Amino acid sequence: AQSVTQLGSHVSVSEGALVLLRCNYSSSVPPYLFWYVQYPNQGLQLLLKYTTGATLVKGINGFEAEFKKSETSFHLTKPSAHMSDAAEYFCAVNPSGNTPLVFGKGTRLSVIA
Amino acid sequence: GAVVSQHPSWVICKSGTSVKIECRSLDFQATTMFWYRQFPKQSLMLMATSNEGSKATYEQGVEKDKFLINHASLTLSTLTVTSAHPEDSSFYICSAGDSRNQPQHFGDGTRLSIL
Repeated sequence: AQSVTQLGSHVSVSEGALVLLRCNYSSSVPPYLFWYVQYPNQGLQLLLKYTTGATLVKGINGFEAEFKKSETSFHLTKPSAHMSDAAEYFCAVNPSGNTPLVFGKGTRLSVIA
Repeated sequence: GAVVSQHPSWVICKSGTSVKIECRSLDFQATTMFWYRQFPKQSLMLMATSNEGSKATYEQGVEKDKFLINHASLTLSTLTVTSAHPEDSSFYICSAGDSRNQPQHFGDGTRLSIL
């Protein structure tokens, strides 16, 4: 069975500071990994994905994540936080398009001016 | 890119009525669609997997007679909340995918409020 653990339900950073949102997964097969962002009362927007190939994945809005198989991690980072980054972030895993995503519990990012 | 349209985005109705939510894949054929429910400040909870032309597979604890799912075509799945009650109030989100379509794409969600 697959599972996702997001460490920290709430992360607060100052504007311009580094953003680091942690995600660890367990999977019996090579996983596809995703990060989604959700703004209030909206659906999920894909930030980035890892399927195969390069382990450092760049996404939208300046976010990137690195797949580390040895650590079973897929942490999300952004060098400099912006006020508009304040939202809920979900890490997810699934083996194929025909299976449902397994989500972490989410991390709420607050950005302080 | 692939787009999933969900309608309506917000619905308010009286207790006892039935509400239908539509999920459409706009530019690809979705052999599988998923329905999730999200409570405030919580993650998404999978309710059911909807396969075109066959019965939906419900997760444990989800009442299939309460949440009717129909996937009659490769581009449309519907979720009907029957005889809705206030405890059914929630944010419902659909996603669609096929064997080639990574990642799964999400609709914008439907906020259901039962008075």
